[in-house]
Amino acid sequence: NAGVMQNPRHLVRRRGQEARLRCSPMKGHSHVYWYRQLPEEGLKFMVYLQKENIIDESGMPKERFSAEFPKEGPSILRIQQVVRGDSAAYFCASSRSPGGAKNTEAFFGQGTRLTVV
Amino acid sequence: KNEVEQSPQNLTAQEGEFITINCSYSVGISALHWLQQHPGGGIVSLFMLSSGKKKHGRLIATINIQEKHSSLHITASHPRDSAVYICATSGGGADGLTFGKGTHLIIQP
Repeated sequence: NAGVMQNPRHLVRRRGQEARLRCSPMKGHSHVYWYRQLPEEGLKFMVYLQKENIIDESGMPKERFSAEFPKEGPSILRIQQVVRGDSAAYFCASSRSPGGAKNTEAFFGQGTRLTVV
Repeated sequence: KNEVEQSPQNLTAQEGEFITINCSYSVGISALHWLQQHPGGGIVSLFMLSSGKKKHGRLIATINIQEKHSSLHITASHPRDSAVYICATSGGGADGLTFGKGTHLIIQP
């Protein structure tokens, strides 16, 4: 059973380009979370999705950022018109049941390191 | 809104020392997680606990629900334990995890 798979591991984009980050949850997991880790800062929640639904996007910037988790295929975090401040590590986690529930363990991917030049 | 505080922020110790990292939070939660992150690496879950104490090898995690406090202990520390240790909570009104800022641990040989 493969763990949470994120790709690419490293992504370099020029300012103004689009970045697409992919996350395949663990088998049997239908809950996906995206987190951002800015340089020298802690991890911050961005968005929580279930299959075909965004449940909570309260941590995601209102502009340029979007996320989806289609019926088939990986979850995608999309950043349009990237700026230098978007440079960060983006982590995906998945769980079998809702994250707020007791005894729900989250499993993390290796992260995607985005560098905007 | 839950606030998660960790201490110390940085810790350097000699190989073999007993290590303690502390975490406190401000609201009732479903569970508390201890995570490990090596530089440039992914995040590994060490423990998830909602009460009492758990042990895995040289690592021990405890939680006091009434005090809203948890500790992570490392016995007989080794240089390979050098990493960032992150405390996180689930529940408490949040859908995802709420994280502390992490503790940078360096174990010198």
